[in-house]
Amino acid sequence: SQQGEEDPQALSIQEGENATMNCSYKTSINNLQWYRQNSGRGLVHLILIRSNEREKHSGRLRVTLDTSKKSSSLLITASRAADTASYFCATDPTSGNTPLVFGKGTRLSVIA
Amino acid sequence: ETGVTQSPTHLIKTRGQQVTLRCSSQSGHNTVSWYQQALGQGPQFIFQYYREEENGRGNFPPRFSGLQFPNYSSELNVNALELDDSALYLCASRGLAQETQYFGPGTRLLVL
Repeated sequence: SQQGEEDPQALSIQEGENATMNCSYKTSINNLQWYRQNSGRGLVHLILIRSNEREKHSGRLRVTLDTSKKSSSLLITASRAADTASYFCATDPTSGNTPLVFGKGTRLSVIA
Repeated sequence: ETGVTQSPTHLIKTRGQQVTLRCSSQSGHNTVSWYQQALGQGPQFIFQYYREEENGRGNFPPRFSGLQFPNYSSELNVNALELDDSALYLCASRGLAQETQYFGPGTRLLVL
């Protein structure tokens, strides 16, 4: 079963605009990670935020984490056509032996 | 590039057959995990191997089995293939103390 739920399922924006994707999860976590996937290929790790962190930045990416609401958001600023991909959040649960639990992803389309 | 390779890239099998997928981990990584990603879904955890022993398993039947070799490369075996086994199979490697997993490009399996 999948723990995370990304919102929205699909997002279409113009180049230069910001893109915001949200993720909700169900259980206690050690950390939450965001991955990117192009056209059904391998996953590329973007950023990791630990349960005791509230915000993290990496280049044009900004991630927030609210453990009280069990939710996270990924902001991509000044989007480019090359950002077109599917984005997944994945949680590292504190209990159980599952290394990562993924959501269903958000399909982002950036139109030039 | 993550340094994780998988073979083959694509595979077509018929129902009831058996399949072996292979993964070569990034150098120095002693933990490998396998995931199944159905079309339009997020990856689902199958199992994890550390130092040639399975040390975690998701909700998959016993006909999904694996091996990890002394050089930390890995195999995923699926017996008695079913149509629903059609998916992208991803392996990911990491060092035991690392939080980030590094994914290979995947093997796309089609069961007819």
